[in-house]
Amino acid sequence: EPEVTQTPSHQVTQMGQEVILRCVPISNHLYFYWYRQILGQKVEFLVSFYNNEISEKSEIFDDQFSVERPDGSNFTLKIRSTKLEDSAMYFCASSDSGRLGQPQHFGDGTRLSIL
Amino acid sequence: GENVEQHPSTLSVQEGDSAVIKCTYSDSASNYFPWYKQELGKRPQLIIDIRSNVGEKKDQRIAVTLNKTAKHFSLHITETQPEDSAVYFCAATDPNDYKLSFGAGTTVTVRA
Repeated sequence: EPEVTQTPSHQVTQMGQEVILRCVPISNHLYFYWYRQILGQKVEFLVSFYNNEISEKSEIFDDQFSVERPDGSNFTLKIRSTKLEDSAMYFCASSDSGRLGQPQHFGDGTRLSIL
Repeated sequence: GENVEQHPSTLSVQEGDSAVIKCTYSDSASNYFPWYKQELGKRPQLIIDIRSNVGEKKDQRIAVTLNKTAKHFSLHITETQPEDSAVYFCAATDPNDYKLSFGAGTTVTVRA
């Protein structure tokens, strides 16, 4: 069964540094998402992406965050200047349609630790 | 925006018994409700979903019910097994956007 893959599995970064989290969505999917989960808390939506542009973003997704689809397979999340509170598990997800009722499939996540 | 409430936060059941998790949502326009199972340190995995034109859906030992009037939906796990131990999240999506709004999660522990 095709899967969403994410790299790295764990990223440790000094506060103020830039990080790029990488995702390879399922190959025939068209809609891509980033979510985050602070330890012990619920999964929170960050941003959705379709047709090479952001379709929606949450209030968490401020100017420090950006997403990009640099080629036909990768989907990246960049945090420009990390803060301690950015420490969380970041999940990428994809779906083959943005229409209602299309399941979103999640990757294994990247654990981001900001020191 | 959508607000999803989930109860209980923890649930301990004896192996073989049933487990029920309940969620409510705030936006009456929401009409897709997936349930995810998350084992420690792993990805949320879709286990069942229901659309608003259906009141109940069943897949082997798991079932989901939806009451649109009351804006609540529930997950039912029958004949629980130790491998059912995990955190379960409900979620809702409204038709105006594509994001999932998650509940806070229920930690289910199945006692052998």
